[in-house]
Amino acid sequence: GDSVTQTEGQVTVSESKSLIINCTYSATSIGYPNLFWYVRYPGEGLQLLLKVITAGQKGSSRGFEATYNKEATSFHLQKASVQESDSAVYYCALSRNNNNAPRFGAGTKLSVKP
Amino acid sequence: DPKIIQKPKYLVAVTGSEKILICEQYLGHNAMYWYRQSAKKPLEFMFSYSYQKLMDNQTASSRFQPQSSKKNHLDLQITALKPDDSATYFCASSQDHWGEDTQYFGPGTRLLVL
Repeated sequence: GDSVTQTEGQVTVSESKSLIINCTYSATSIGYPNLFWYVRYPGEGLQLLLKVITAGQKGSSRGFEATYNKEATSFHLQKASVQESDSAVYYCALSRNNNNAPRFGAGTKLSVKP
Repeated sequence: DPKIIQKPKYLVAVTGSEKILICEQYLGHNAMYWYRQSAKKPLEFMFSYSYQKLMDNQTASSRFQPQSSKKNHLDLQITALKPDDSATYFCASSQDHWGEDTQYFGPGTRLLVL
């Protein structure tokens, strides 16, 4: 079945520096999946950060961007200048427009140093 | 006001006992889900329901039984509890059981089985 891989379990970045959190997916079914980034801030529930349902498109929210790269099967999350308030756990996820369950990556904990 | 309510927030149980985790959503959504996250493990999909009907079940054990008394309720009954069941259980909902739809997560119930 489909799967999502986040290689970094934890990332530490200094405030105002750039960020990239890697996400790759393996799609075993025909067609292109929907791709998501969810975020869990400390003390809060998991919430959607951005999503892209069309291959080749870019999604953006709160200064974060992710491009759906169907050739590389990647959906990396980037931000040009992180803030301390961006410290959170970020999850990449994949879904299909069928009855199957969505797939989540293992999550990447981002710590932003002041 | 919280849109997805999970009760209780914390739960301690003894091995072999039975517990029910409560989930109610007030978003008017038609699909509901249960996920589990154990310490240092990825978010794991368990069940999905649409209009109170089971759509997907990725939980091997029959000790986990979802119960939907109303469209906006999806409780999780766990019988014969084991220490390995210790985890945070998240309820989620989406407008419909369709891959493009954003999932909205509850705050979780943290279960500890002794």
